[in-house]
Amino acid sequence: DGGITQSPKYLFRKEGQNVTLSCEQNLNHDAMYWYRQDPGQGLRLIYYSQIVNDFQKGDIAEGYSVSREKKESFPLTVTSAQKNPTAFYLCASRRTETYEQYFGPGTRLTVT
Amino acid sequence: AQSVSQHNHHVILSEAASLELGCNYSYGGTVNLFWYVQYPGQHLQLLLKYFSGDPLVKGIKGFEAEFIKSKFSFNLRKPSVQWSDTAEYFCAVTVGGATNKLIFGTGTLLAVQP
Repeated sequence: DGGITQSPKYLFRKEGQNVTLSCEQNLNHDAMYWYRQDPGQGLRLIYYSQIVNDFQKGDIAEGYSVSREKKESFPLTVTSAQKNPTAFYLCASRRTETYEQYFGPGTRLTVT
Repeated sequence: AQSVSQHNHHVILSEAASLELGCNYSYGGTVNLFWYVQYPGQHLQLLLKYFSGDPLVKGIKGFEAEFIKSKFSFNLRKPSVQWSDTAEYFCAVTVGGATNKLIFGTGTLLAVQP
């Protein structure tokens, strides 16, 4: 059963702690993306990776970091430098032949 | 900078009413256009897409959208909505074809009353 998995579904952290969100895909897609969804703001691109060992900043990369050591995995770390980390985080991957992106179920992060 | 505007933030309709959700983008070059839908508690999923050819595209569940280049618009339509269409709808655009980055609108929350 192909798809994108994100874990955990809900995550709670104290302010000042770094936290890593997992994203795994078995669709054999080269490109992967991280978005942040806030009410009334749509989805905003945090980071993206078009190939293993390479990634680029999106529109709101400050306070986040990523790695892409394997094609299947694109973890996102929310660092303590992110001023407003509480949000819904979505991971996506893209078929090479098209611009269509496939999304995971998301992780809701709450930082208090 | 490129942007996508969805002017309807919250729409409430009765079942069987017709739906049109507006989407405008700001970019003068080649675009690829998408509508995504997020049903309550479910993944964001593709509703329909336009790359080239016939500007009227049909998607899943009876939805369609028309690309009007002169108006920079890609409005979503459905002739008769159902309660199960209650969801949030996002318009998205890729520009220039170079980076494959999707630019999303702010979303429209549709509530269909039975």
